Amino acid sequence: AQRVTQPEKLLSVFKGAPVELKCNYSYSGSPELFWYVQYSRQRLQLLLRHISRESIKGFTADLNKGETSFHLKKPFAQEEDSAMYYCALRKETSGSRLTFGEGTQLTVNP
Amino acid sequence: NAGVTQTPKFQVLKTGQSMTLQCAQDMNHEYMSWYRQDPGMGLRLIHYSVGAGITDQGEVPNGYNVSRSTTEDFPLRLLSAAPSQTSVYFCASRIEGLPYEQYFGPGTRLTVT
Repeated sequence: AQRVTQPEKLLSVFKGAPVELKCNYSYSGSPELFWYVQYSRQRLQLLLRHISRESIKGFTADLNKGETSFHLKKPFAQEEDSAMYYCALRKETSGSRLTFGEGTQLTVNP
Repeated sequence: NAGVTQTPKFQVLKTGQSMTLQCAQDMNHEYMSWYRQDPGMGLRLIHYSVGAGITDQGEVPNGYNVSRSTTEDFPLRLLSAAPSQTSVYFCASRIEGLPYEQYFGPGTRLTVT
């Protein structure tokens, strides 16, 4: 069965520092990977998806099939980036079903 | 559009009580799902539906029932609440096919004592 692992439950950085939120997955096929974000008292929302190869709010994520990873990176963290981040995987045959990681709470300190 | 709405926002139940968490969307999305969010465990899929009249079990379906009589509504029923069901519940919806972006509701925080 597929699995998504986010090894860090909590991550704390200072404003302006680079940040990397780790995501590893196990799945033998060709998955689609996503990052979702939940800001305080707001609903969960899509941040970015690997097939778009886009940069959203300064964040990027590259799918590394060799290392089965999809780490989220930002070169200069901002205080407003503080949130809970979830990595999610969709199997190519699963329709809309997403498998989520455990989540990483990012805190950006002033 | 209101998007995905959930009621109630908060609920406290006693063990053994039953209740229904409501979820509605006004985007004409075929696919709807229910997740529970627990610390350290991420979001886990409870039940989902690919259209009116069609439902299926997710990862953690025990203790929950769902039905989908209309495209808009997807209620989640707790048959006999247990403390292990204390969680935050999220409803989500999306269209079939690309893009596979799910739209989430604001959540219902449920406490079972």
